[in-house]
Amino acid sequence: GIQVEQSPPDLILQEGANSTLRCNFSDSVNNLQWFHQNPWGQLINLFYIPSGTKQNGRLSATTVATERYSLLYISSSQTTDSGVYFCAVPPSVSGGSNYKLTFGKGTLLTVNP
Amino acid sequence: DTAVSQTPKYLVTQMGNDKSIKCEQNLGHDTMYWYKQDSKKFLKIMFSYNNKELIINETVPNRFSPKSPDKAHLNLHINSLELGDSAVYFCASSQGTRRTNTEAFFGQGTRLTVV
Repeated sequence: GIQVEQSPPDLILQEGANSTLRCNFSDSVNNLQWFHQNPWGQLINLFYIPSGTKQNGRLSATTVATERYSLLYISSSQTTDSGVYFCAVPPSVSGGSNYKLTFGKGTLLTVNP
Repeated sequence: DTAVSQTPKYLVTQMGNDKSIKCEQNLGHDTMYWYKQDSKKFLKIMFSYNNKELIINETVPNRFSPKSPDKAHLNLHINSLELGDSAVYFCASSQGTRRTNTEAFFGQGTRLTVV
């Protein structure tokens, strides 16, 4: 099945700093999602981004499907940005039923005041 | 109005018991899922249902039996609970076909603790 790798596994920032999280995937896919799991355990949708760039406030994401990676940018980080960031992809375009997402292991972000 | 809601939020039970988790979505989606998040935060698919039909059963023990009475509901029943079943279980939904899916939305999770 498709492999998803996220980096870095852990990241500690001071409030106000910027950061870039990366998601690599092993095969061609037709969509990709970024999620934030907050300290209360909720999985919050950030982006549904098969390709190109999207922005939502201080967050933006870019997926380069042909090179099999996606980046999540967090600017001017706040303590409320703390939590785990996951990317997830469906099975590769060439194989398997599309009815599931494979998740990376996540990036644990801690933003200190 | 919560898009994907699951109950209960917390469940503490003894080994050997049987328990159920309920999930409902009001997004009009035709596909629903159960995912399991282990103690290391790793999220893995358990089941997928499309139009009430089981599509994916990702080698989950027979003690886990999902049931979809209609497209808006997917419940998970677990028999003879074991310590290793302790985890957070997430329900999710999306709209799609075999080849493509829309954005998936997740419920708030059910933290199951087996003692």
